Amino acid sequence: EAGVVQSPRYKIIEKKQPVAFWCNPISGHNTLYWYLQNLGQGPELLIRYENEEAVDDSQLPKDRFSAERLKGVDSTLKIQPAELGDSAVYLCASSLQGGQTQYFGPGTRLLVL
Amino acid sequence: GNSVTQMEGPVTLSEEAFLTINCTYTATGYPSLFWYVQYPGEGLQLLLKATKADDKGSNKGFEATYRKETTSFHLEKGSVQVSDSAVYFCALYSGGGADGLTFGKGTHLIIQP
Repeated sequence: EAGVVQSPRYKIIEKKQPVAFWCNPISGHNTLYWYLQNLGQGPELLIRYENEEAVDDSQLPKDRFSAERLKGVDSTLKIQPAELGDSAVYLCASSLQGGQTQYFGPGTRLLVL
Repeated sequence: GNSVTQMEGPVTLSEEAFLTINCTYTATGYPSLFWYVQYPGEGLQLLLKATKADDKGSNKGFEATYRKETTSFHLEKGSVQVSDSAVYFCALYSGGGADGLTFGKGTHLIIQP
């Protein structure tokens, strides 16, 4: 069974540029999560989707961050414009609906210069 | 709110030594508890879990017991190997409308040959 797929694995951009991350969850997993992991810290939840609906985006900085999961499968997380402090690893995870166990992708490591 | 506290690292041990990484938590209700491992440059992998008090999760020689009375979920391994070198994260999921996992800050484990 394929795991959670994320791309790109690495991204380097200049500040004020836009950037987008893509995630494909495990087949059959209705619930999808985006986490932010700063260096030396544990992941922190940004947004959770149940199918195509964002059920909790309270931690998402909405002035510059947006996310979508139009068909309830793949998801995209966007930052526009990026700031130096956005340099981090962006992790995607998925689970069965109502499931407690989340499975993580390899993450996208973003560096903003 | 929910929180997870882990012992700070790095923890440096010799090969075949006994390992304990402490984890305590604060949560409402009866959370499920997890240990995830993150190897360099990779995403988080589920190591083990326990969903109710006195449950013991185990995998790859690692064990952790859900202790409700001490709100702890310490990770142990009897004989560590160089390949166990990684960052270990303790996490909880409280469900009941709460979203996502709450992670500790992670413990960097270094095993020397």
